[in-house]
Amino acid sequence: DAGVIQSPRHEVTEMGQEVTLRCKPISGHNSLFWYRQTMMRGLELLIYFNNNVPIDDSGMPEDRFSAKMPNASFSTLKIQPSEPRDSAVYFCASSFYLPGLADEQYFGPGTRLTVT
Amino acid sequence: DAKTTQPNSMESNEEEPVHLPCNHSTISGTDYIHWYRQLPSQGPEYVIHGLTSNVNNRMASLAIAEDRKSSTLILHRATLRDAAVYYCILRDVSNSGAGSYQLTFGKGTKLSVIP
Repeated sequence: DAGVIQSPRHEVTEMGQEVTLRCKPISGHNSLFWYRQTMMRGLELLIYFNNNVPIDDSGMPEDRFSAKMPNASFSTLKIQPSEPRDSAVYFCASSFYLPGLADEQYFGPGTRLTVT
Repeated sequence: DAKTTQPNSMESNEEEPVHLPCNHSTISGTDYIHWYRQLPSQGPEYVIHGLTSNVNNRMASLAIAEDRKSSTLILHRATLRDAAVYYCILRDVSNSGAGSYQLTFGKGTKLSVIP
């Protein structure tokens, strides 16, 4: 398996532009997570999907952030409009989650976003 | 949420064993102990997890104290490739709330391996 695939790996954009990050989870996994990592705040969970349904988006910082999972093999995280403080590395992770069991989350290589 | 305490940094010589400690004095009976690591410029990587008994896998061993208030990740023979930030995380999988799926990353321990 190729693991979790994220694109693009690097994105540089100007403030006010729309940014779309993409993720392909591992085949057969039923859960998908979007995380953000900065030096100041460390690694934070933004949103979590289970069976393509958003379960918890309490980590999404503002309405400028939105995430979708139209099918089991694809998810997007969109920022519109982007701001310099959104600069971070964004990770997507997937797992096969069953209640009561301790699953392993597999992370992608991340997208490094720079907003100027 | 039950929290963990780890040293900020540790050093090890290459090819020697490394013991990475984690304190979790407020752990509950249904909290699993997870370890992840993050190599430079990469996403976090699962290492090992356990509940009460010691665990071994191809990457590492996890030694859990009898009272479960602390645990130790053991790398039996450190290599340069093991230089990373190691995170000790508690997860309560007994309920259907956020704690059952969410990984809450702290600052971890930055391990340096000296050739």
